[in-house]
Amino acid sequence: AIQMTQSPSSLSASVGDRVTITCRASQGIRDDLGWYQQKSGKAPKLLIYAATSLQSGVPSRFSGSGFGTDFTLTISSLQPEDFATYYCLQDFNYPRTFGQGTKVEIK
Amino acid sequence: EVQLVESGGGLVQPGGSLRLSCEASGFTFSAYEMNWVRQAPGKGLEWLSYISRDSSDIYYADSVRARFTISRDNAKNSLYLQMNSLRAEDTAVYYCTKEPPEGRWFDPWGQGTLVTVSS
Repeated sequence: AIQMTQSPSSLSASVGDRVTITCRASQGIRDDLGWYQQKSGKAPKLLIYAATSLQSGVPSRFSGSGFGTDFTLTISSLQPEDFATYYCLQDFNYPRTFGQGTKVEIK
Repeated sequence: EVQLVESGGGLVQPGGSLRLSCEASGFTFSAYEMNWVRQAPGKGLEWLSYISRDSSDIYYADSVRARFTISRDNAKNSLYLQMNSLRAEDTAVYYCTKEPPEGRWFDPWGQGTLVTVSS
């Protein structure tokens, strides 16, 4: 199974900060990667698909980059509603595998 | 509006069985591939199983293969997960989610149903 190593596991940031979360795949997965946001007690929500495509309705401050094994989710200017846990998911093959998650907390 | 509503969760003893359902609405259910994902309390997300539109292709995570069975009834717009030989480590919120025809990402997700395995 492909392992997805996500970092950091948590971070503290202030409103307005630029935040970067990374995900590394144990083998090449082309651009078959999505990013999901999960707020406490809620279901995950798709933010980015195919590594770089912004899901409809998601604010443009979210962006994704990467191809092959190294991927990044960037929040250009952190907003109060962005405090949540973020997960990457490879959809290159089965079994699908998630990163361990990154909890973004208020500094 | 696209909606996925899970049901069937609850408290079950170790070794017991439970059947989860996911009722879909707001889209043509038979045209979409579906998945189950779970999240243990305080833990991350774990993909469990996939089923193709006509049930011809099915995949499982190693952790549930031979114990869980995914199925669907396109006439009833419903997805199912039959869970047998349940263990304490199966305690989690279980989500159903769909894939679009043009890709393999998960959108949207249901609200989840909690399964607790305990004596």
